Parts: sequence; structure tokens; C-alpha cells
Amino acid sequence: KNEVEQSPQNLTAQEGEFITINCSYSVGISALHWLQQHPGGGIVSLFMLSSGKKKHGRLIATINIQEKHSSLHITASHPRDSAVYICAAAGTYKYIFGTGTRLKVLA
Amino acid sequence: NAGVTQTPKFRILKIGQSMTLQCAQDMNHNYMYWYRQDPGMGLKLIYYSVGAGITDKGEVPNGYNVSRSTTEDFPLRLELAAPSQTSVYFCASSYSIPGGGGYTFGSGTRLTVV
Repeated sequence: KNEVEQSPQNLTAQEGEFITINCSYSVGISALHWLQQHPGGGIVSLFMLSSGKKKHGRLIATINIQEKHSSLHITASHPRDSAVYICAAAGTYKYIFGTGTRLKVLA
Repeated sequence: NAGVTQTPKFRILKIGQSMTLQCAQDMNHNYMYWYRQDPGMGLKLIYYSVGAGITDKGEVPNGYNVSRSTTEDFPLRLELAAPSQTSVYFCASSYSIPGGGGYTFGSGTRLTVV
């Protein structure tokens, strides 16, 4: 069993739908990082959070430290949101990465 | 700022050849990392560095070497390339420990070993 598990692995949605991607981890962490990998391969940071909730535009990330679980929500999804979303658990010197959730939003 | 710059973007190597993947950052970050990403797999840490002159192995270091002579540069050396090293390689840097913010990735190097 991986130390960081994401679900679902693949997700197809219609434009406008509310999307949730889940991340569970089994290790102690200082923070959890959500990343977006574009179809061209580049990786950008979306959120880093150690408690509660963060919001940026249509993206919302939450974390429950006691349950070792985080979620990334996308409201009013759009085809440009199509990407791979990766969660990463921050340890002392390194991250442990999930395998990613491949999201495709259809127009 | 350029951020994290990786070169080359693409490379094809023959089995047994060697090469160096270059990574440079201009953000004065202390921490630098090399990852490989295989299809359908999460990013795996190859090596990392917490400052100039200090490097340490990650999860998958075999077949690779690194050096960190300056804060800015963190090259990854592949000796005797093997097909198993076909992957996309990402360099990243951060100011402090993971979770401390400022984590920035390079654009990746796609390496094929034939």
C-alpha cells in the first residue's frame, strides 16, 4: 500500500460540474501540497496547507489532520482544468507523492 | 526570474552512454531535488540537497550521481544509461523544508534510452 493514495485515478466530468479529488496519507506530515501537471508536462503548485481550508478562485483545498485526509475541489469546472492533479505529503526533507488523478473536463 | 531551469528538454541516449542533466535555480533556494516520473507512477525522489556541498540519496538513487558545488546548480549524472532509466526527470527547489513554501519545479527532461 502506498503511503499517499489518491482517488479517483481517472475522472471525466462535464463542464460546470463540481469535482472532488481525494488524498489519504499514512505518514506524519508537516504539510500537504496539491500540484497540477499540465498536459505538456509542467508542474505547478496549487496549494500548500497544514490545517483547515484554502481557496483560490474556483479551487478549494481542505485537510483533516486527524483523519489524514485532504480533498481538492473544483467548482464550475472548465475544459482548461483538464490536467493531472497530484497530492504530496511533506516530510522532513522530502515529499511523498501520490500517483495523481487524471481529470478531463468535456465542453 | 527564471525560476528552475532544466536542460535539455529532450534527449535520446544509447545503452551504456552517459550524460548530465542540468538544473539551475535563481531564487537562492537552499533545497534542491531530482525526481523521475514513470508513466502511471508518482514522482520518485532520486537525490536531494539541503545546501551547497550536501547531498543525500532519495528512494531510487541507483545509476545516478549528483553534486552541489554552488547554491544555484544541481546537476544529475547518468552513468552507463539503461532502458530502465527512460523517464521524465524533474528538478525542483525550495527555500526551506517541504511544507515551508516556495516549492518550484523545472519543466522536465524527457529521456529515452534505446
